[in-house]
Amino acid sequence: KQEVTQIPAALSVPEGENLVLNCSFTDSAIYNLQWFRQDPGKGLTSLLLIQSSQREQTSGRLNASLDKSSGRSTLYIAASQPGDSATYLCAAHSGGGADGLTFGKGTHLIIQP
Amino acid sequence: DTGVSQNPRHKITKRGQNVTFRCDPISEHNRLYWYRQTLGQGPEFLTYFQNEAQLEKSRLLSDRFSAERPKGSFSTLEIQRTEQGDSAMYLCASSVQAGNTEAFFGQGTRLTVV
Repeated sequence: KQEVTQIPAALSVPEGENLVLNCSFTDSAIYNLQWFRQDPGKGLTSLLLIQSSQREQTSGRLNASLDKSSGRSTLYIAASQPGDSATYLCAAHSGGGADGLTFGKGTHLIIQP
Repeated sequence: DTGVSQNPRHKITKRGQNVTFRCDPISEHNRLYWYRQTLGQGPEFLTYFQNEAQLEKSRLLSDRFSAERPKGSFSTLEIQRTEQGDSAMYLCASSVQAGNTEAFFGQGTRLTVV
């Protein structure tokens, strides 16, 4: 059974800093890994999708990497802004008949103005 | 098309009542997923459809829960005889036919059972 862990659970940094969020998964047989953002009381917004054959994906100030062999992914946020404050979730899409995403508990990020 | 749409956004119900939620996926997406999220946790998979066929159900989906997607378009999730433990955010997601593609989520339905 796939398990996804996110570290840290919470993070507070001053505006302008670069930061890294970590995600680890136990079963390396994944189709892809997806990073989401969730604002309080809202649904999930997809940020980046990394296919199992890829090493990284970039979108604006966001860069996500994937190392299947070690079961790790990181989300790098450059030049953080107060508007980046949210909970960030990673989710592994595993094969083997279990077609749903397996999520971590998320990292609650606060960017201080 | 504005994305995945869920209704209602909020629902408060008394314990023992039945509730039904609706999800309208992105129009060209054949796969539709239901997840449940409780406070401080990540979403947990409940079930998914490929067109109108329900292909997988999680152990979390007790007999009181039923989901349908009758014409392969919108889907409904019904909870019968609600319990306080059913209080959660219910999220719907859709993706194109291939399972390994990007999933897009709706805004969710927040259920509170009192």
